[in-house]
Amino acid sequence: DTAVSQTPKYLVTQMGNDKSIKCEQNLGHDTMYWYKQDSKKFLKIMFSYNNKELIINETVPNRFSPKSPDKAHLNLHINSLELGDSAVYFCASSQRESGETQYFGPGTRLLVL
Amino acid sequence: EDQVTQSPEALRLQEGESSSLNCSYTVSGLRGLFWYRQDPGKGPEFLFTLYSAGEEKEKERLKATLTKKESFLHITAPKPEDSATYLCAVQALGGSYIPTFGRGTSLIVHP
Repeated sequence: DTAVSQTPKYLVTQMGNDKSIKCEQNLGHDTMYWYKQDSKKFLKIMFSYNNKELIINETVPNRFSPKSPDKAHLNLHINSLELGDSAVYFCASSQRESGETQYFGPGTRLLVL
Repeated sequence: EDQVTQSPEALRLQEGESSSLNCSYTVSGLRGLFWYRQDPGKGPEFLFTLYSAGEEKEKERLKATLTKKESFLHITAPKPEDSATYLCAVQALGGSYIPTFGRGTSLIVHP
């Protein structure tokens, strides 16, 4: 059973388009995250939700809007995609807000042309 | 601002050749330090959490240690399957639980 799953795995799109990435966890965790990993493998947190409530928003442009319909799902919608948005986006979850042990999804590789 | 520096950037070892990876950190107060392993094309996989200087944790051929300024990930008699990028992250004391990651050490173990 996959603990944290993301769809799609690959996303190739044109500049200016709007796209969404979906994430689901079946671990029963309270907290979910979105991370961005750039071409140099630097991993940076974007958002964190605890029990569907936004608790971390790390100066991410307004074009990025996370949505958590329930504790098991955290989706990421990106408007007006830019070349610099090309990266790998990881979803993760942890049992508690303190996030000591995080379980990561397989990643979504986004390429903006 | 919290900072995490990992060294070396890349490390090549022969199978059985033990070595250590370094994670130096600057944080106002350490809540926790984390080690993750990331295989190519996959998400990071949690290895260890360390909370206070002097703490050590082990898992198979890996042993993580912590001082007030740095952490080491010791790899004893590595095997080719230990090849991966090893990421270090810290959380600072305070209101938020934002982790700061280092850029990782890419380890290749040759048979």
